Amino acid sequence: AQKITQTQPGMFVQEKEAVTLDCTYDTSDQSYGLFWYKQPSSGEMIFLIYQGSYDEQNATEGRYSLNFQKARKSANLVISASQLGDSAMYFCAMREGDSGAGSYQLTFGKGTKLSVIP
Amino acid sequence: DAGVIQSPRHEVTEMGQEVTLRCKPISGHNSLFWYRQTMMRGLELLIYFNNNVPIDDSGMPEDRFSAKMPNASFSTLKIQPSEPRDSAVYFCASSLNRGREKLFFGSGTQLSVL
Repeated sequence: AQKITQTQPGMFVQEKEAVTLDCTYDTSDQSYGLFWYKQPSSGEMIFLIYQGSYDEQNATEGRYSLNFQKARKSANLVISASQLGDSAMYFCAMREGDSGAGSYQLTFGKGTKLSVIP
Repeated sequence: DAGVIQSPRHEVTEMGQEVTLRCKPISGHNSLFWYRQTMMRGLELLIYFNNNVPIDDSGMPEDRFSAKMPNASFSTLKIQPSEPRDSAVYFCASSLNRGREKLFFGSGTQLSVL
């Protein structure tokens, strides 16, 4: 079974509108972390936002927020006031296990390609 | 801070040749990761190191792939012999080995094996 599922291969959003990119995850660990990365056409991987499984509040970073629903095992990324520069691939990723356990790699989903329309 | 530095940015080689990809992690980071990105398989973890020691190489496709980290500031990923199906973007990333720490990625090496 996939550990990270991103069901939307592609999304379109009008400039200045908000958009939600879906991510569901699968883990039996109690302690884990969820990450979102952006990959523009230039290819670099840009960190956007992090949510820890024990964090009581949803993470926010500027125009990015993470809608964390633990019981549903979902960690959707919300981008408010979309800009043309937001057009890119977006990857959801998970780190499992307690910190200190020595397992710090991220498992990535397949990604969602977001296109912002002027 | 220069970030994670990978070289070369692009590599074109012929099937059967040896390919060596290089990575310099961010100073002070003690975890280093090699990922491969393809359209079909997405981002796959190949191997990662903690404190220069390989921890998990279960993602390495086969014996043609090998990775080393002789010191905290340098790692290599070698493919010998290379095959056309190895064509992909290879990313190196580093982080501190704490649970909340994000991975910092290099710019990647675009490998084309003809």
